[in-house]
Amino acid sequence: NAGVTQTPKFRILKIGQSMTLQCTQDMNHNYMYWYRQDPGMGLKLIYYSVGAGITDKGEVPNGYNVSRSTTEDFPLRLELAAPSQTSVYFCASSSTERLAGVNEQFFGPGTRLTVL
Amino acid sequence: QQQVKQSPQSLIVQKGGISIINCAYENTAFDYFPWYQQFPGKGPALLIAIRPDVSEKKEGRFTISFNKSAKQFSLHIMDSQPGDSATYFCAASRVGSNYQLIWGAGTKLIIKP
Repeated sequence: NAGVTQTPKFRILKIGQSMTLQCTQDMNHNYMYWYRQDPGMGLKLIYYSVGAGITDKGEVPNGYNVSRSTTEDFPLRLELAAPSQTSVYFCASSSTERLAGVNEQFFGPGTRLTVL
Repeated sequence: QQQVKQSPQSLIVQKGGISIINCAYENTAFDYFPWYQQFPGKGPALLIAIRPDVSEKKEGRFTISFNKSAKQFSLHIMDSQPGDSATYFCAASRVGSNYQLIWGAGTKLIIKP
């Protein structure tokens, strides 16, 4: 099992450019999440999905879009990149169950994005 | 009411000492409180989690203490080791939220040899 994989690892964008951050999981998890992590700010939820074809906004969705056409893939689209989107982006997945009271989110290695 | 407040922001502990990180919440609907550990350049990974029907959970050197009346929970790392140096996040979620986690701001822990 590769777990959760993310590409690219690093990217520099110019203001106004667009890009897609890729996320794939091979654990057959229904739930997938996109977070951004800024220094000293913890993780903020951008979008999440409870299954293929179903997505919903999180805490900070502005400037981003997602789609979920398959269980495995959950790409995050940045349109018209802005310096405020400079951050580390993490994708995560989890099952729908709480095993022994625990619902674990499994994280990818992250994408470090800089917008100049 | 959705916030989880974590302290301290950073912590330095001598090897062999006890590391203590605290979190507080307001929303009494929260029913699940995990701690995640993150090493530099990596994604967070679940360390230990607790439900509010117990006051303490221990896994090896890591213990969560939970005080429901005070709406606080804490992570204790006994016999802290240099390999424990990482950033620790507390979080909380509530039933019916599709397992969405509300995260604390994180604590950077450094264990001095």
